Amino acid sequence: NAGVTQTPKFRVLKTGQSMTLLCAQDMNHEYMYWYRQDPGMGLRLIHYSVGEGTTAKGEVPDGYNVSRLKKQNFLLGLESAAPSQTSVYFCASSYYTQRHTGELFFGEGSRLTVL
Amino acid sequence: GENVEQHPSTLSVQEGDSAVIKCTYSDSASNYFPWYKQELGKRPQLIIDIRSNVGEKKDQRIAVTLNKTAKHFSLHITETQPEDSAVYFCAASMRTGANNLFFGTGTRLTVIP
Repeated sequence: NAGVTQTPKFRVLKTGQSMTLLCAQDMNHEYMYWYRQDPGMGLRLIHYSVGEGTTAKGEVPDGYNVSRLKKQNFLLGLESAAPSQTSVYFCASSYYTQRHTGELFFGEGSRLTVL
Repeated sequence: GENVEQHPSTLSVQEGDSAVIKCTYSDSASNYFPWYKQELGKRPQLIIDIRSNVGEKKDQRIAVTLNKTAKHFSLHITETQPEDSAVYFCAASMRTGANNLFFGTGTRLTVIP
């Protein structure tokens, strides 16, 4: 049981390049999320998904796209990277419940640098 | 949307002393308030949470209090140990199910042996 895994863990891009971050979870969670973490700004939600085939925007969605073709995977894409997207990206997942909010299980993070 | 403010940004305490971190939130509809701990270079992990129908919750050396009228909640760590050194994030959510958490900016706690 690996939990939530992210690939790659480190990446350096040039401005304008594209890339995809992959998140995989083996806990059969319904919900998945992508956050970015910047110094002094905490964790901010980029996009999230409440189930296979569905995605929604979070606080800071501009410049990113996501897809959830399979329940266990959640992909984050940068079509044209900008220096402002230099950050540490965390994927997370949580179980579904109608009664209350579930705990977020985070991946180890992916450090992206855009030059 | 929700706005969560967290203070202080850094906190140093002597081993064995208590540490208190405070957060305020803006939206009275928020009903779930978790705290996450992130050790250096690691992923955030949930340490305790509280829901709006509860005023206080304890788990060994950690406690969280919630004042819905004032819209603030606090994390209390007693008998601090060096392994408590980490960044702590508070968060608030006003939805059940999809966990759209709004995080505070974090508090770096250093426990001095």
